[in-house]
Amino acid sequence: SQTIHQWPATLVQPVGSPLSLECTVEGTSNPNLYWYRQAAGRGLQLLFYSVGIGQISSEVPQNLSASRPQDRQFILSSKKLLLSDSGFYLCAWEGKTGTGNTIYFGEGSWLTVV
Amino acid sequence: AQRVTQPEKLLSVFKGAPVELKCNYSYSGSPELFWYVQYSRQRLQLLLRHISRESIKGFTADLNKGETSFHLKKPFAQEEDSAMYYCALRSFQKLVFGTGTRLLVSP
Repeated sequence: SQTIHQWPATLVQPVGSPLSLECTVEGTSNPNLYWYRQAAGRGLQLLFYSVGIGQISSEVPQNLSASRPQDRQFILSSKKLLLSDSGFYLCAWEGKTGTGNTIYFGEGSWLTVV
Repeated sequence: AQRVTQPEKLLSVFKGAPVELKCNYSYSGSPELFWYVQYSRQRLQLLLRHISRESIKGFTADLNKGETSFHLKKPFAQEEDSAMYYCALRSFQKLVFGTGTRLLVSP
């Protein structure tokens, strides 16, 4: 069966420090991968998505970047964190079911920038 | 541009009462719509999709293209239905979410 792992679960970082959130998927190949941010009152905002290795699409201009060095690995990064980067980050992958695609989410990472 | 609107941030009902969580969308093509749910201390998961026309945990949702709505309904709410509910629209390879509605079912 397919699983998705995301880490770290919680992170407290000072302003100006770098960030690296990692996400890996097991049990599937060539998935679509996504990074979302969940902020209070703003729902789930799509940050990046990837349809293959090295292919990254950015949805919103921001202080973050994403990379996909391997088929089932998706990394969210920042060189210098801002206070506004605080939030709950969700990695997700897309699989196929009998009635269309289903997107499965990881457990999320809480980032607090202080 | 595609957009999903959930007008209610919080919906509070008593056990056994009917529930309707509202969702309206804006999309130029043929929409593919979903409801996702996040229970306390659990990950976000798919509840149902309009293509399947299914009932999950007593919930149903009908796509109304004329009103551009995909409201989630349940005739008799249960305490275990308390959770955060998100309506979502697929736009090509992206899933666009609404801001979510927190459902609180009291005994």
